[in-house]
Amino acid sequence: DTAVSQTPKYLVTQMGNDKSIKCEQNLGHDTMYWYKQDSKKFLKIMFSYNNKELIINETVPNRFSPKSPDKAHLNLHINSLELGDSAVYFCASSQGGAANYGYTFGSGTRLTVV
Amino acid sequence: QQPVQSPQAVILREGEDAVINCSSSKALYSVHWYRQKHGEAPVFLMILLKGGEQKGHDKISASFNEKKQQSSLYLTASQLSYSGTYFCGTEVGYQKVTFGTGTKLQVIP
Repeated sequence: DTAVSQTPKYLVTQMGNDKSIKCEQNLGHDTMYWYKQDSKKFLKIMFSYNNKELIINETVPNRFSPKSPDKAHLNLHINSLELGDSAVYFCASSQGGAANYGYTFGSGTRLTVV
Repeated sequence: QQPVQSPQAVILREGEDAVINCSSSKALYSVHWYRQKHGEAPVFLMILLKGGEQKGHDKISASFNEKKQQSSLYLTASQLSYSGTYFCGTEVGYQKVTFGTGTKLQVIP
């Protein structure tokens, strides 16, 4: 009965590889997000989708590409991984926009690039 | 623009009170508060939408000032379970929540 689930929980990979993180929510929310949390715990928004439509695309290298096949899923694909990509990536969802509703976060994916 | 949180860290003994502040240079549509325990996801505490609003549950409450540029989180009679990093998240438009730098709270027996 997990509300927002991410896989994998841990990801260790070499520089230059391509990897994907998957996110699914069963809350019926129509907006989903990707946030990156760095080693200093700073949470920075990357992308947001509303009903499969991209609505926020922050200044993120184009090696990062989100995909939302339906409103319950938002995946993140990363090409040519770099050391600086090491971080915890959180998926989140909300009912409607962020103005009126809080986020439900997934448990995070700790990505380590070596 | 990232909101400014203060203090950066605080240590409390069980039963003591704490206040965490979150300030923005612009008027906000909303303020969110979250708590994140070590190695876990942030958990939503509450959202404030209106200037002058106060909201709370149990012994954790928050306020949003009239100009909607500052919010404070109040933790009273702290418990060990309150330990974690508290984040405010602010929305100035575009359906985007920008998080503050966090306040690390440690409650000791």
